[in-house]
Amino acid sequence: SQQGEEDPQALSIQEGENATMNCSYKTSINNLQWYRQNSGRGLVHLILIRSNEREKHSGRLRVTLDTSKKSSSLLITASRAADTASYFCATVSGGSNYKLTFGKGTLLTVNP
Amino acid sequence: SQTIHQWPATLVQPVGSPLSLECTVEGTSNPNLYWYRQAAGRGLQLLFYSVGIGQISSEVPQNLSASRPQDRQFILSSKKLLLSDSGFYLCAWSSTGDTFGSGTRLTVV
Repeated sequence: SQQGEEDPQALSIQEGENATMNCSYKTSINNLQWYRQNSGRGLVHLILIRSNEREKHSGRLRVTLDTSKKSSSLLITASRAADTASYFCATVSGGSNYKLTFGKGTLLTVNP
Repeated sequence: SQTIHQWPATLVQPVGSPLSLECTVEGTSNPNLYWYRQAAGRGLQLLFYSVGIGQISSEVPQNLSASRPQDRQFILSSKKLLLSDSGFYLCAWSSTGDTFGSGTRLTVV
């Protein structure tokens, strides 16, 4: 079953604009991760945020986590056409066996 | 450095034919390995995971099986493919973030 739900399902912006994608989940988590997938390719790990963290930065990426609302957001600043891809959040919950549960993803299109 | 290899990249198979997709990992020992499937326009669904040689856990009932004959080798198989087995299959191993293979697009015709 899918834990994360990304919002919006699709987002189209112009180069230079910021893109914000949201993810909501249902159960308690150990960490939440964001991945990018270019069309027809494998997933690339972007960033991991632990349940005791509230915000992380990596280059033009900023991820926030609100465990009280069971939600996370991914902000891409100063977007580029090369950022066009699907973005997925995935959660890890409990136990010692490390399993990711993915949402359905947000398709981001950055127009030049 | 750790790398993960998955092949083939694309595969077209007739209904009822067998399937074998292979995934190998280099640069790490005793990794947790995973097979995911992604239906068109959907997120990833975990099919199998393995914490060691010969140890396979299945997440969903299905027409597929998995095996781990060696520490760094994870195989996804089927004896008879169904049309519904079509999809994009991804192998992954875990560290602080999962590292994914490049995927196999399987079309069952």
